[in-house]
Amino acid sequence: DQQVKQNSPSLSVQEGRISILNCDYTNSMFDYFLWYKKYPAEGPTFLISISSIKDKNEDGRFTVFLNKSAKHLSLHIVPSQPGDSAVYFCAASGGDNFNKFYFGSGTKLNVKP
Amino acid sequence: DSGVTQTPKHLITATGQRVTLRCSPRSGDLSVYWYQQSLDQGLQFLIQYYNGEERAKGNILERFSAQQFPDLHSELNLSSLELGDSALYFCASSRPGQGSGLHGYTFGSGTRLTVV
Repeated sequence: DQQVKQNSPSLSVQEGRISILNCDYTNSMFDYFLWYKKYPAEGPTFLISISSIKDKNEDGRFTVFLNKSAKHLSLHIVPSQPGDSAVYFCAASGGDNFNKFYFGSGTKLNVKP
Repeated sequence: DSGVTQTPKHLITATGQRVTLRCSPRSGDLSVYWYQQSLDQGLQFLIQYYNGEERAKGNILERFSAQQFPDLHSELNLSSLELGDSALYFCASSRPGQGSGLHGYTFGSGTRLTVV
């Protein structure tokens, strides 16, 4: 049962433009949502997070939006840079074990110079 | 370097064999998590340990087992290996209050297991 889904396996954008990565979830008990970034041959690294009490969190060029009614979150990267090219995973947790995260299958972002 | 160390980085073995993957958490972290990433799949939660005790279990096969030792390092044992067990296995760690929700975990760079 895939509780967190990333329906776009890949995304290509031009340097300087906005990248929008999307994620959907099914479990209304999820309280925390995170984005991880993964380069080849490395483990995922934490990027940004949001709790269910907020609908937006910003950190520099990265903004995460949460739409609880739609069970949807998105990551905006503005402006996109070639170094942002990586696989991005969204993850969610909540309920009786907020340490147990469910991950999406990832979206591979390619930022073209 | 994330501070979470996984060994070995690569492992090739035959079907039916048994292997052990090792993880040393970041200094100060008490929780260890194991995840499996198969080809084009997301990370699937296998199991979590906290200070030596099993805390949560995910979709971990009966052929797989894990433990966390007093020095907090953890081992994931995979036995009777099948071709479908070929995957990246990630270990992650967190400290009390940090693994919760908004901070996530710190991942190691993974062990790539190939079963032939």
